[in-house]
Amino acid sequence: EAQVTQNPRYLITVTGKKLTVTCSQNMNHEYMSWYRQDPGLGLRQIYYSMNVEVTDKGDVPEGYKVSRKEKRNFPLILESPSPNQTSLYFCASSFGTLTGELFFGEGSRLTVL
Amino acid sequence: DQQVKQNSPSLSVQEGRISILNCDYTNSMFDYFLWYKKYPAEGPTFLISISSIKDKNEDGRFTVFLNKSAKHLSLHIVPSQPGDSAVYFCAASARGGAGSYQLTFGKGTKLSVIP
Repeated sequence: EAQVTQNPRYLITVTGKKLTVTCSQNMNHEYMSWYRQDPGLGLRQIYYSMNVEVTDKGDVPEGYKVSRKEKRNFPLILESPSPNQTSLYFCASSFGTLTGELFFGEGSRLTVL
Repeated sequence: DQQVKQNSPSLSVQEGRISILNCDYTNSMFDYFLWYKKYPAEGPTFLISISSIKDKNEDGRFTVFLNKSAKHLSLHIVPSQPGDSAVYFCAASARGGAGSYQLTFGKGTKLSVIP
């Protein structure tokens, strides 16, 4: 089954404790991206990757890191989480064309205390 | 600066009637427009799209209209069903540097279809 898998789905952590949210897709997509969804703000892009070893900042990259060492994986790293990073995070992937439909994961709800 | 705007945070429609969700954009470089649907506790899923060279695209009960001169698009759902109750995101795509493209989302409109 074609899917984008994120882990963990739910996480409560404390300020400053490094965490990683993993994302894996099995559709051989070149393009992968991370979004955060906040009330009243919709979906905002954090980082994206056009292919292996190619990453770029989205609209709200501050406080996040990503890596793309393999085509299928695109982890999101919070080196020192802060409460303003409490949010619902979505990973997405596509074939990377202008018209490419994005496939989303089910989301990871992160709470930073 | 919000490039894709959905000015109605919510919309309520009676079952069987038409739902019209609106979206405005400011960037004339957008080439492609998409609508995504999101249920609670799930990721968004693709619904329908339209190229900037067209003014209408239809898929079953869903039709998207594009008015380039007004920089406005709308999603029509006819007839509306209770299962259509969800948050609808409008998105626009523009080509960026080095062959990349950027997808910009609106804030979403929560549609409630009342039985």
